[in-house]
Amino acid sequence: TQLLEQSPQFLSIQEGENLTVYCNSSSVFSSLQWYRQEPGEGPVLLVTVVTGGEVKKLKRLTFQFGDARKDSSLHITAAQPGDTGLYLCAGPFGNEKLTFGTGTRLTIIP
Amino acid sequence: KAGVTQTPRYLIKTRGQQVTLSCSPISGHRSVSWYQQTPGQGLQFLFEYFSETQRNKGNFPGRFSGRQFSNSRSEMNVSTLELGDSALYLCASSPGTAPRQYFGPGTRLTVT
Repeated sequence: TQLLEQSPQFLSIQEGENLTVYCNSSSVFSSLQWYRQEPGEGPVLLVTVVTGGEVKKLKRLTFQFGDARKDSSLHITAAQPGDTGLYLCAGPFGNEKLTFGTGTRLTIIP
Repeated sequence: KAGVTQTPRYLIKTRGQQVTLSCSPISGHRSVSWYQQTPGQGLQFLFEYFSETQRNKGNFPGRFSGRQFSNSRSEMNVSTLELGDSALYLCASSPGTAPRQYFGPGTRLTVT
């Protein structure tokens, strides 16, 4: 069992639709990060959330950190083909610099 | 600033051999971490080096080792390769102890 579970694992939607990706854990994290990874590249940081209940917006992307700091969500409004990629949540835990979630592979169909 | 660079980008090895991967962090970054990414297990932390000292280590066997040089460049070594070691190996750097990581493009290792 992974420490950070993401859902859904795969998501394929039409351009212009909205979507939400979830990142859940039974453990408390001091912070959570969201990365996007495209084929042939390493993950790129989108946002870091630190405070329970925090909401951060990055253009059409909205990130929320749960009040108990055990979960986070990523909401994309009016998805575009450029949003296609592997979305990963991650946080520092124990001896690990970063523990990564199971990932959500998002495909936006033009 | 130039990003994190990793060499080689692709590598094919035979079971039982050993391999060394190289990573050059962003200039000024003193922390270098290594991760393994596979379809089955996802992205998993291997180890972190800071100022030439291993700070943290993930749950990988001793066949996986690393080191960091005085210029912050890092190498990762895998001995006695197994088929299951086939993966994308990602290097990431950061200025200090904060968890934010800047990733390189990775080295794709295939073990046959």
